[in-house]
Amino acid sequence: DTAVSQTPKYLVTQMGNDKSIKCEQNLGHDTMYWYKQDSKKFLKIMFSYNNKELIINETVPNRFSPKSPDKAHLNLHINSLELGDSAVYFCASSQDKSAFYEQYFGPGTRLTVT
Amino acid sequence: GQNIDQPTEMTATEGAIVQINCTYQTSGFNGLFWYQQHAGEAPTFLSYNVLDGLEEKGRFSSFLSRSKGYSYLLLKELQMKDSASYLCAVRDRTDSWGKLQFGAGTQVVVTP
Repeated sequence: DTAVSQTPKYLVTQMGNDKSIKCEQNLGHDTMYWYKQDSKKFLKIMFSYNNKELIINETVPNRFSPKSPDKAHLNLHINSLELGDSAVYFCASSQDKSAFYEQYFGPGTRLTVT
Repeated sequence: GQNIDQPTEMTATEGAIVQINCTYQTSGFNGLFWYQQHAGEAPTFLSYNVLDGLEEKGRFSSFLSRSKGYSYLLLKELQMKDSASYLCAVRDRTDSWGKLQFGAGTQVVVTP
């Protein structure tokens, strides 16, 4: 069974479009994260939710809006896509919000904006 | 903010040992993680250090010196499958929750 899953795996779209990425974890974890990994492979946290509550919101454009309908799901909606949004987006989960525990990453969504 | 530095790339031969260094400067520190990431795949957890000293896990060991802001990951008896990027990540102490700040990763290339 896949622990952390994301859909879609690949996403190619044009500038100005709106797109969503979905994430689900079946580990029973309380905390979920969105990371962005750019072309230089630098992995940077964007958001974190703990039991459906937003606890980390890094300096991310307002065009990015996360939503957590329950603690097993975390979605990311992106409005008005720009070329600079092209990256791999990873979802992750961990046991709790302390960040003392290892994080389990999903397979990633490779977003290409043309 | 935090600065996390690690070498960009290292090359070693099969069966050898490679040591990947990571230095950090943080406003708050509460643990350091190492993750492995194969090309096109997700990062996977390797080790966690919160106290000074060496943690050994099979062929992989990780060392931490908090006073020096320094850690290393030691990969022994290198195998071809160890070719991957190794990410150093520092746990930022922020209120009751933490977040990880990742370094840019060290690409390890294992040659026959």
